[in-house]
Amino acid sequence: GQQLNQSPQSMFIQEGEDVSMNCTSSSIFNTWLWYKQDPGEGPVLLIALYKAGELTSNGRLTAQFGITRKDSFLNISASIPSDVGIYFCAGQLSGGSNYKLTFGKGTLLTVNP
Amino acid sequence: EAGVAQSPRYKIIEKRQSVAFWCNPISGHATLYWYQQILGQGPKLLIQFQNNGVVDDSQLPKDRFSAERLKGVDSTLKIQPAKLEDSAVYLCASSLTGNYGYTFGSGTRLTVV
Repeated sequence: GQQLNQSPQSMFIQEGEDVSMNCTSSSIFNTWLWYKQDPGEGPVLLIALYKAGELTSNGRLTAQFGITRKDSFLNISASIPSDVGIYFCAGQLSGGSNYKLTFGKGTLLTVNP
Repeated sequence: EAGVAQSPRYKIIEKRQSVAFWCNPISGHATLYWYQQILGQGPKLLIQFQNNGVVDDSQLPKDRFSAERLKGVDSTLKIQPAKLEDSAVYLCASSLTGNYGYTFGSGTRLTVV
């Protein structure tokens, strides 16, 4: 089946630093999404990307849908302690009414105040 | 708007026992999903419902897992008999239309001993 390679697996940074993480796939997707998961909670959608080459921002977060449709990255600027959590990329190749998401393994972000 | 409700939050059972999880999606959301998230992994789709019909259950271990969505609203996921490798968080999610991201519930953490 499809697999997403997400990197890095974990990051430990100082408050105020910028962060970058990315996701690559062996096959194309129509949609890329980035989620954040806090301990004991379900993933929460941060950014959704729908077109190859699309660059979208949500506050301090910026994400891009790769031109090849096989990759995406997420940047977080000026990190703050509440950015701590696990970030997941997810790809969707929707066909008909099938909206299955394929997730990466996640990037664990730790922010040192 | 109320989120996706799941119960119980935690469950510990012995192997070979049976267990059931319940999900109440956001009102009006036609599409409902069950995902399995093993520790250190991203969520993996088990089954997708559109109203009360199954769209995708290709990754559901049908010899032991079953799910139903009566009347197109609430859903129940059952495991019988449970194995040690079923220990995971079971996430329910719902969406109006699936290609704009989902809303996840907080999940049920299952431990099989």
